[in-house]
Amino acid sequence: NAGVTQTPKFQVLKTGQSMTLQCAQDMNHNSMYWYRQDPGMGLRLIYYSASEGTTDKGEVPNGYNVSRLNKREFSLRLESAAPSQTSVYFCASRGGIYYGYTFGSGTRLTVV
Amino acid sequence: RKEVEQDPGPFNVPEGATVAFNCTYSNSASQSFFWYRQDCRKEPKLLMSVYSSGNEDGRFTAQLNRASQYISLLIRDSKLSDSATYLCVVGDSGGYQKVTFGTGTKLQVIP
Repeated sequence: NAGVTQTPKFQVLKTGQSMTLQCAQDMNHNSMYWYRQDPGMGLRLIYYSASEGTTDKGEVPNGYNVSRLNKREFSLRLESAAPSQTSVYFCASRGGIYYGYTFGSGTRLTVV
Repeated sequence: RKEVEQDPGPFNVPEGATVAFNCTYSNSASQSFFWYRQDCRKEPKLLMSVYSSGNEDGRFTAQLNRASQYISLLIRDSKLSDSATYLCVVGDSGGYQKVTFGTGTKLQVIP
């Protein structure tokens, strides 16, 4: 099925550990995004990639890095996880500014 | 003032009722508007875009009021399956087009 695939779905990390969240889309979209969602808050943009080869910071980039590996794949890396990074992470892609996002199913990350 | 504001609810309505949500936005230069639906512990899914002239998709009607800077979503003949959180999304003008998500309005349809 066409869409956005995210892995893993769940992850528990110890403080200081690192991990990479993977995201791939098969809709030939140029733009890809990483969001986090916390209770009582709207989705907040971590990083985005407007096109292959470019990445830019969003609203809450501290503690994260990204890689746009190719047009399909956009990964998010936590170099040294902190409890404040406990959240649900969503990857999304979009075909253009007047089009809505397509989201992946999310990664539930707990940092202990 | 928040960039995008929604009443968090919950709105508890009986099956078959009509319910409406509003969402206000602060940037008068906003260019694109959407309603998303998010079920508990799931990803947001696009419900509908909102066009200047208003638009309808089955039981759902979306409207935009640029003068008062709000968008609305009307759901007619509510179904149990409509129970979810409805997110308002507003996109700025500009090349990157910053998009801001509201925190959502929770709807519970009661049998």
